[in-house]
Amino acid sequence: AQTVTQSQPEMSVQEAETVTLSCTYDTSESDYYLFWYKQPPSRQMILVIRQEAYKQQNATENRFSVNFQKAAKSFSLKISDSQLGDAAMYFCAYRSRNYGQNFVFGPGTRLSVLP
Amino acid sequence: SAVISQKPSRDICQRGTSLTIQCQVDSQVTMMFWYRQQPGQSLTLIATANQGSEATYESGFVIDKFPISRPNLTFSTLTVSNMSPEDSSIYLCSVGTGVFGELFFGEGSRLTVL
Repeated sequence: AQTVTQSQPEMSVQEAETVTLSCTYDTSESDYYLFWYKQPPSRQMILVIRQEAYKQQNATENRFSVNFQKAAKSFSLKISDSQLGDAAMYFCAYRSRNYGQNFVFGPGTRLSVLP
Repeated sequence: SAVISQKPSRDICQRGTSLTIQCQVDSQVTMMFWYRQQPGQSLTLIATANQGSEATYESGFVIDKFPISRPNLTFSTLTVSNMSPEDSSIYLCSVGTGVFGELFFGEGSRLTVL
Protein backbone atom coordinates (compact mmCIF):
# COMPACT_ATOMS: atom_id res chain seq x y z
CA ALA A 1 0.00 0.00 0.00
CA GLN A 2 1.07 3.52 -0.67
CA THR A 3 2.01 5.86 2.14
CA VAL A 4 2.66 9.58 2.24
CA THR A 5 4.84 11.20 4.87
CA GLN A 6 5.16 14.85 5.78
CA SER A 7 7.91 15.15 8.34
CA GLN A 8 7.22 18.76 9.31
CA PRO A 9 4.07 19.06 11.45
CA GLU A 10 4.52 22.83 11.64
CA MET A 11 6.47 25.42 9.72
CA SER A 12 6.64 29.19 9.81
CA VAL A 13 7.84 31.74 7.32
CA GLN A 14 8.26 35.46 7.27
CA GLU A 15 6.01 37.36 4.91
CA ALA A 16 7.64 37.77 1.47
CA GLU A 17 10.14 35.00 2.19
CA THR A 18 10.32 31.53 0.66
CA VAL A 19 9.45 28.28 2.39
CA THR A 20 9.69 24.64 1.36
CA LEU A 21 7.38 21.95 2.65
CA SER A 22 8.58 18.37 2.47
CA CYS A 23 6.73 15.27 1.31
CA THR A 24 7.93 11.74 0.71
CA TYR A 25 5.90 8.79 -0.42
CA ASP A 26 6.25 5.10 -0.84
CA THR A 27 4.90 3.19 -3.82
CA SER A 28 5.78 0.32 -6.06
CA GLU A 29 3.96 1.88 -8.99
CA SER A 30 5.66 3.80 -11.76
CA ASP A 31 2.73 5.87 -12.95
CA TYR A 32 0.83 8.09 -10.57
CA TYR A 33 -0.11 11.64 -9.69
CA LEU A 34 0.99 13.80 -6.80
CA PHE A 35 -0.85 16.77 -5.40
CA TRP A 36 -0.56 19.51 -2.84
CA TYR A 37 -3.76 20.68 -1.20
CA LYS A 38 -4.25 23.69 1.03
CA GLN A 39 -6.79 23.85 3.83
CA PRO A 40 -7.16 27.36 5.29
CA PRO A 41 -8.83 27.89 8.66
CA SER A 42 -12.12 28.21 6.78
CA ARG A 43 -11.43 24.53 6.07
CA GLN A 44 -12.33 24.17 2.38
CA MET A 45 -9.62 22.10 0.74
CA ILE A 46 -8.15 23.73 -2.34
CA LEU A 47 -5.90 22.15 -4.93
CA VAL A 48 -2.60 24.04 -5.09
CA ILE A 49 -0.59 22.12 -7.63
CA ARG A 50 -0.30 18.69 -9.25
CA GLN A 51 2.45 16.64 -10.82
CA GLU A 52 2.35 13.69 -13.18
CA ALA A 53 4.97 11.10 -12.33
CA TYR A 54 5.92 10.48 -15.94
CA LYS A 55 6.78 14.15 -16.47
CA GLN A 56 10.27 15.12 -15.39
CA GLN A 57 9.55 18.83 -15.53
CA ASN A 58 8.54 20.25 -12.18
CA ALA A 59 5.09 21.80 -12.04
CA THR A 60 4.70 25.51 -11.33
CA GLU A 61 1.62 27.58 -10.50
CA ASN A 62 2.43 31.23 -9.93
CA ARG A 63 4.24 31.44 -6.57
CA PHE A 64 3.96 27.69 -5.99
CA SER A 65 6.39 25.18 -7.44
CA VAL A 66 7.39 21.63 -6.70
CA ASN A 67 10.64 19.73 -6.62
CA PHE A 68 9.75 16.25 -7.82
CA GLN A 69 12.45 13.65 -7.35
CA LYS A 70 10.96 10.37 -8.59
CA ALA A 71 13.89 8.14 -7.69
CA ALA A 72 13.96 9.53 -4.18
CA LYS A 73 10.14 9.51 -3.98
CA SER A 74 10.18 13.09 -2.85
CA PHE A 75 7.71 15.84 -3.72
CA SER A 76 8.38 19.11 -1.94
CA LEU A 77 6.38 22.32 -2.30
CA LYS A 78 8.08 25.69 -2.53
CA ILE A 79 6.10 28.83 -1.79
CA SER A 80 7.80 32.01 -2.93
CA ASP A 81 7.01 35.54 -1.75
CA SER A 82 4.86 34.15 1.07
CA GLN A 83 1.67 36.01 1.83
CA LEU A 84 -0.51 36.08 4.93
CA GLY A 85 -3.18 34.24 2.98
CA ASP A 86 -0.84 31.29 2.54
CA ALA A 87 -1.28 30.37 6.20
CA ALA A 88 -3.02 27.00 6.21
CA MET A 89 -2.64 23.27 6.56
CA TYR A 90 -0.94 21.78 3.54
CA PHE A 91 -1.55 18.18 2.59
CA CYS A 92 0.53 16.17 0.17
CA ALA A 93 -1.48 13.50 -1.65
CA TYR A 94 -0.85 10.54 -3.93
CA ARG A 95 -3.16 8.96 -6.48
CA SER A 96 -2.51 5.97 -8.63
CA ARG A 97 -3.07 6.49 -12.33
CA ASN A 98 -5.64 3.71 -12.14
CA TYR A 99 -8.64 5.96 -11.75
CA GLY A 100 -10.99 5.13 -8.94
CA GLN A 101 -8.37 4.26 -6.42
CA ASN A 102 -8.05 6.14 -3.21
CA PHE A 103 -6.16 9.28 -2.72
CA VAL A 104 -3.60 8.81 0.01
CA PHE A 105 -3.10 11.93 2.06
CA GLY A 106 -0.14 12.81 4.22
CA PRO A 107 -0.62 13.98 7.80
CA GLY A 108 -0.29 17.63 6.87
CA THR A 109 2.00 20.57 7.65
CA ARG A 110 0.63 23.64 9.37
CA LEU A 111 2.17 26.75 7.86
CA SER A 112 2.18 30.03 9.71
CA VAL A 113 3.09 33.27 7.94
CA LEU A 114 4.58 35.94 10.16
CA PRO A 115 4.02 39.60 9.30
CA SER B 1 -13.39 22.00 -11.74
CA ALA B 2 -16.53 21.51 -9.69
CA VAL B 3 -18.47 23.58 -7.21
CA ILE B 4 -19.67 21.54 -4.27
CA SER B 5 -22.21 22.70 -1.72
CA GLN B 6 -22.46 20.91 1.58
CA LYS B 7 -24.87 21.35 4.43
CA PRO B 8 -25.07 21.71 7.29
CA SER B 9 -21.78 23.53 7.67
CA ARG B 10 -21.75 22.72 11.35
CA ASP B 11 -23.97 21.16 13.95
CA ILE B 12 -23.98 20.16 17.57
CA CYS B 13 -25.63 16.82 18.16
CA GLN B 14 -26.64 14.72 21.10
CA ARG B 15 -25.23 11.28 21.71
CA GLY B 16 -27.35 8.55 20.16
CA THR B 17 -28.92 10.70 17.47
CA SER B 18 -28.31 10.64 13.73
CA LEU B 19 -27.50 13.44 11.31
CA THR B 20 -27.65 13.54 7.53
CA ILE B 21 -25.19 15.63 5.55
CA GLN B 22 -26.12 16.71 2.06
CA CYS B 23 -23.76 17.27 -0.85
CA GLN B 24 -24.74 18.95 -4.11
CA VAL B 25 -22.43 19.24 -7.12
CA ASP B 26 -22.87 21.73 -9.95
CA SER B 27 -22.17 19.11 -12.62
CA GLN B 28 -22.80 15.42 -13.19
CA VAL B 29 -20.10 13.20 -11.76
CA THR B 30 -19.71 9.45 -11.69
CA MET B 31 -18.18 9.06 -8.25
CA MET B 32 -18.53 11.08 -5.11
CA PHE B 33 -16.36 10.54 -2.07
CA TRP B 34 -16.99 11.05 1.62
CA TYR B 35 -14.04 11.76 3.89
CA ARG B 36 -13.69 12.17 7.61
CA GLN B 37 -11.18 14.54 9.17
CA GLN B 38 -10.84 14.09 12.89
CA PRO B 39 -9.55 17.06 14.90
CA GLY B 40 -6.01 17.92 13.90
CA GLN B 41 -5.77 14.90 11.63
CA SER B 42 -5.54 14.14 7.94
CA LEU B 43 -8.33 12.90 5.72
CA THR B 44 -9.65 9.37 5.84
CA LEU B 45 -11.90 8.02 3.11
CA ILE B 46 -15.18 6.68 4.44
CA ALA B 47 -16.78 5.49 1.22
CA THR B 48 -17.22 6.02 -2.49
CA ALA B 49 -20.77 6.78 -3.61
CA ASN B 50 -21.70 5.54 -7.08
CA GLN B 51 -24.97 6.45 -8.71
CA GLY B 52 -27.20 3.43 -9.17
CA SER B 53 -25.26 1.06 -6.95
CA GLU B 54 -24.33 0.51 -3.35
CA ALA B 55 -21.62 2.64 -1.88
CA THR B 56 -18.20 1.10 -1.43
CA TYR B 57 -16.95 1.37 2.14
CA GLU B 58 -13.36 1.47 3.31
CA SER B 59 -12.01 -0.74 6.03
CA GLY B 60 -13.28 0.35 9.40
CA PHE B 61 -16.46 1.96 8.08
CA VAL B 62 -19.78 0.14 7.80
CA ILE B 63 -23.06 0.91 6.11
CA ASP B 64 -25.09 0.66 9.31
CA LYS B 65 -23.06 3.47 10.85
CA PHE B 66 -22.58 5.60 7.73
CA PRO B 67 -25.44 4.96 5.29
CA ILE B 68 -25.01 6.78 1.99
CA SER B 69 -27.50 7.65 -0.68
CA ARG B 70 -26.74 8.64 -4.27
CA PRO B 71 -30.05 9.24 -6.02
CA ASN B 72 -28.59 11.01 -9.06
CA LEU B 73 -25.34 12.20 -10.59
CA THR B 74 -25.25 15.53 -8.74
CA PHE B 75 -26.34 14.68 -5.20
CA SER B 76 -25.39 12.46 -2.29
CA THR B 77 -26.07 12.21 1.41
CA LEU B 78 -24.08 10.75 4.26
CA THR B 79 -25.79 9.86 7.51
CA VAL B 80 -23.84 9.50 10.72
CA SER B 81 -25.95 7.16 12.84
CA ASN B 82 -26.17 6.64 16.56
CA MET B 83 -23.52 9.26 17.15
CA SER B 84 -20.99 9.21 19.96
CA PRO B 85 -18.40 11.85 20.90
CA GLU B 86 -15.85 9.88 18.86
CA ASP B 87 -17.81 10.87 15.74
CA SER B 88 -16.97 14.53 16.31
CA SER B 89 -15.17 15.40 13.09
CA ILE B 90 -15.31 17.35 9.89
CA TYR B 91 -17.03 15.37 7.16
CA LEU B 92 -16.04 16.30 3.62
CA CYS B 93 -17.75 15.56 0.36
CA SER B 94 -15.57 15.48 -2.73
CA VAL B 95 -15.61 14.59 -6.39
CA GLY B 96 -12.83 13.53 -8.67
CA THR B 97 -12.83 15.20 -12.04
CA GLY B 98 -10.53 16.47 -14.71
CA VAL B 99 -7.78 14.73 -16.60
CA PHE B 100 -5.89 13.83 -13.45
CA GLY B 101 -8.90 12.96 -11.36
CA GLU B 102 -8.00 15.61 -8.85
CA LEU B 103 -10.38 15.98 -5.97
CA PHE B 104 -12.56 18.99 -5.39
CA PHE B 105 -14.06 19.42 -1.96
CA GLY B 106 -17.07 20.93 -0.33
CA GLU B 107 -16.63 23.25 2.61
CA GLY B 108 -17.14 20.40 5.03
CA SER B 109 -19.57 19.74 7.83
CA ARG B 110 -18.20 20.10 11.34
CA LEU B 111 -20.06 17.84 13.73
CA THR B 112 -19.72 18.06 17.48
CA VAL B 113 -21.31 15.26 19.48
CA LEU B 114 -22.01 15.90 23.14
